[in-house]
Formats: sequence, C-alpha cells, structure tokens
Amino acid sequence: TQLLEQSPQFLSIQEGENLTVYCNSSSVFSSLQWYRQEPGEGPVLLVTVVTGGEVKKLKRLTFQFGDARKDSSLHITAAQPGDTGLYLCQVSGEKLTFGTGTRLTIIP
Amino acid sequence: NAGVTQTPKFQVLKTGQSMTLQCAQDMNHEYMSWYRQDPGMGLRLIHYSVGAGITDQGEVPNGYNVSRSTTEDFPLRLLSAAPSQTSVYFCASSRYRKYGYTFGSGTRLTVV
Repeated sequence: TQLLEQSPQFLSIQEGENLTVYCNSSSVFSSLQWYRQEPGEGPVLLVTVVTGGEVKKLKRLTFQFGDARKDSSLHITAAQPGDTGLYLCQVSGEKLTFGTGTRLTIIP
Repeated sequence: NAGVTQTPKFQVLKTGQSMTLQCAQDMNHEYMSWYRQDPGMGLRLIHYSVGAGITDQGEVPNGYNVSRSTTEDFPLRLLSAAPSQTSVYFCASSRYRKYGYTFGSGTRLTVV
C-alpha cells in the first residue's frame, strides 16, 4: 500500500492570509487528485494533476505536481472562510490511496 | 443528474446484526469503491470494482462483502456488525480512475 503523508495535519489562519499544504510520498504516481471535504459531506474533487511539474489554478487555489511525480502542493491565496474544510490528496495505483488530510480553518 | 446516491444516511445497529448499505450512480461509471472514514485514519478502501461482475479487496475488507451485478449499483454488506465497524462509509465512482472520483454524501453507522 502506498503511503501518502500530508502536512500540516491542522492549520488555522486569519482570513486574507496565504497558505500552502503538502502531499508527499516516496513512490512515483501516474496522477494525483486533491479533494475538499466539508463536515457531513463526501469529498469533492478539486483537481487532477498528471504531468511532472504541472501547475493548475482554480481561482485562488494553485496546485503543483512535483517534477518527479512523488509530491504535490496546494497553495491558497487570500484565504476566505469558505475555504475551511479537510483537504485530501489521493493517488491512483494498484489500490487507490488517500492521505490523512489537512484540516484547514480560516478565521474571519 | 443525481451523481452517487447512498442510503441510508444514518443507521444504528446492534452487535451481530447484518445490513446492506446501498450505493447507486447514474453516470455510467465503470469504477466504484467503498471507503470508511475514521478520525485520524483518513479514508481507507474497503472493496472496489472495475466493472459489473468484478470486485476486489481493498485495505480493510474483513467483515464486509460486496457484489456488482449492474454498472449502477454497488451494495456493501456487513455480515455481523461489530463496534469496530462504527464509522462513516462513503461510496465513490469514476469513469477513468486516474482522474478522480465522485463521492456520495456518506452513511454514518453506529454499532452498539
């Protein structure tokens, strides 16, 4: 089973600040997904990255896939209370694997 | 477009009881999976299916059975419920597994 480590585990910042969360592994992946999960709901797919070095932007969210396709980062610019949630990364291998997530709280 | 529908949303079982968690998708997705989510443990794969008639075990399959008789439905059966199976269960589906999954809204199960 592939091991995915997400950091930090918890993050609480003020509205308007910038932040970056990470998803790391020792294995190489063909693709990596980021999800956001709100309380009482299932995860919602934000983005898929497939090419080493790829950068994708979704409004204030910027996703990057590492050159070696072993890691990824999610950067949020000018965080808003609506960004609050659990951010999960997932990779597709023989057995689909999720990281344990970063619980983000944006304080108004 | 309903997406992935899970029923029931909440369930309380007594130890030893059996039940089936239902999952249906209307997107004609080949891949379907069941996960459980526990505090501090993240999402763990229970069973998955790559198409009708084909299922396989995930990371934590013990105590659970699945079948995939149609593309649309992928029920999860708890054979004899145990308190350790208290969790939130999510069903997910995908057309191309490499590009991520659509999740249902979950079933919160408590075994007493």
